[in-house]
Amino acid sequence: NAGVTQTPKFQVLKTGQSMTLQCAQDMNHEYMSWYRQDPGMGLRLIHYSVGAGITDQGEVPNGYNVSRSTTEDFPLRLLSAAPSQTSVYFCASSYSGTAISGANVLTFGAGSRLTVL
Amino acid sequence: QQQVKQSPQSLIVQKGGISIINCAYENTAFDYFPWYQQFPGKGPALLIAIRPDVSEKKEGRFTISFNKSAKQFSLHIMDSQPGDSATYFCAAKTDSWGKFQFGAGTQVVVTP
Repeated sequence: NAGVTQTPKFQVLKTGQSMTLQCAQDMNHEYMSWYRQDPGMGLRLIHYSVGAGITDQGEVPNGYNVSRSTTEDFPLRLLSAAPSQTSVYFCASSYSGTAISGANVLTFGAGSRLTVL
Repeated sequence: QQQVKQSPQSLIVQKGGISIINCAYENTAFDYFPWYQQFPGKGPALLIAIRPDVSEKKEGRFTISFNKSAKQFSLHIMDSQPGDSATYFCAAKTDSWGKFQFGAGTQVVVTP
């Protein structure tokens, strides 16, 4: 059982380049999300999805796009990378619905460290 | 603007001591308050959690204290061990979709 798998683990980009961070989960979780972690800022929600075909913005969505074509995958796209997007990115998933206790447990991937020069 | 304020930013405690991390929130709609533990190079993992109808929850050496009227909650690590050295995040959740607000994190170092 792999849980949440993120690729790549490390990436260096030049300003203006685009790339996609991949996230896949094998737990049949409806809810998936992307966070960025910066020193002193904690984890900030970028985008999230409550099921295939449904996505919504978090608190820091600018410069990022997402899509959810399958339950398992939730890629994060950087359209035109900027140095301010240098960060560690985490994908997390959970069940949804208040009736299920698992909705309160986020399972995180190991992270993707992105540097934009 | 962070909806969950966490302090201190860092903490050094001797082995066997008590580590205390505090969090405060404003949104009274929050209904679930977890703590996540993160080791270097890893993703955060759920450590312990509490709901606002309970004032304290204990799991082993980890205890959450919750003060609903003050809108504050804290994590106590008793008998701290070097293996507890990690970054700890408090969080709060408002709705059924797992949309969490995280604190800024506290780096805890336990010295031998």
